[in-house]
Amino acid sequence: EAGVTQSPTHLIKTRGQQVTLRCSPISGHTSVYWYQQALGLGLQFLLWYDEGEERNRGNFPPRFSGRQFPNYSSELNVNALELEDSALYLCASSRRYEQYFGPGTRLTVT
Amino acid sequence: QKEVEQNSGPLSVPEGAIASLNCTYSDRGSQSFFWYRQYSGKSPELIMFIYSNGDKEDGRFTAQLNKASQYVSLLIRDSQPSDSATYLCAAGVANQAGTALIFGKGTTLSVSS
Repeated sequence: EAGVTQSPTHLIKTRGQQVTLRCSPISGHTSVYWYQQALGLGLQFLLWYDEGEERNRGNFPPRFSGRQFPNYSSELNVNALELEDSALYLCASSRRYEQYFGPGTRLTVT
Repeated sequence: QKEVEQNSGPLSVPEGAIASLNCTYSDRGSQSFFWYRQYSGKSPELIMFIYSNGDKEDGRFTAQLNKASQYVSLLIRDSQPSDSATYLCAAGVANQAGTALIFGKGTTLSVSS
């Protein structure tokens, strides 16, 4: 069974630009979660999508947004990038309880 | 504010010893508890989950849950250098749509050979 996949692996952007990160969940999983892990910090919950709907949102500004497609894949969009957005962005998927993480996208904002 | 607290470490143990990792959580509504292992520069890997009070064993790993004390622990027997990583504890609250997880900041484990 294939795991959670994310693209791209690495990304370098300039402050003020916009970025889109992509995630494909494990087959059969309907929930997708997005987390931010900045260097030296813990996992911070960003967004949760299930069955195409946003179920919950973490304490992040509105310039962090996303969506889930009918095939349960998901996008995370970040507008007006700031230096502190540099982090590892992790996507996880679940059917009900356990969450399984993808390899992450490393975003560097210069 | 729902929180999960872990000692950041580092926890240093010799090869072959038992490593004991601890975690407390603040939300009494939490129903499920997870331990993830994260190697430097990699994503978290689920290694154990526990839903009921008591112990749950899987190979060299034992998870322990005490809901009255709001305490979760992970024991790693016969620790190996390859166990050196950061261990993340997470508490979950489930609803019809899924489970929201709150993560601790992690405990760094170092196993010396």
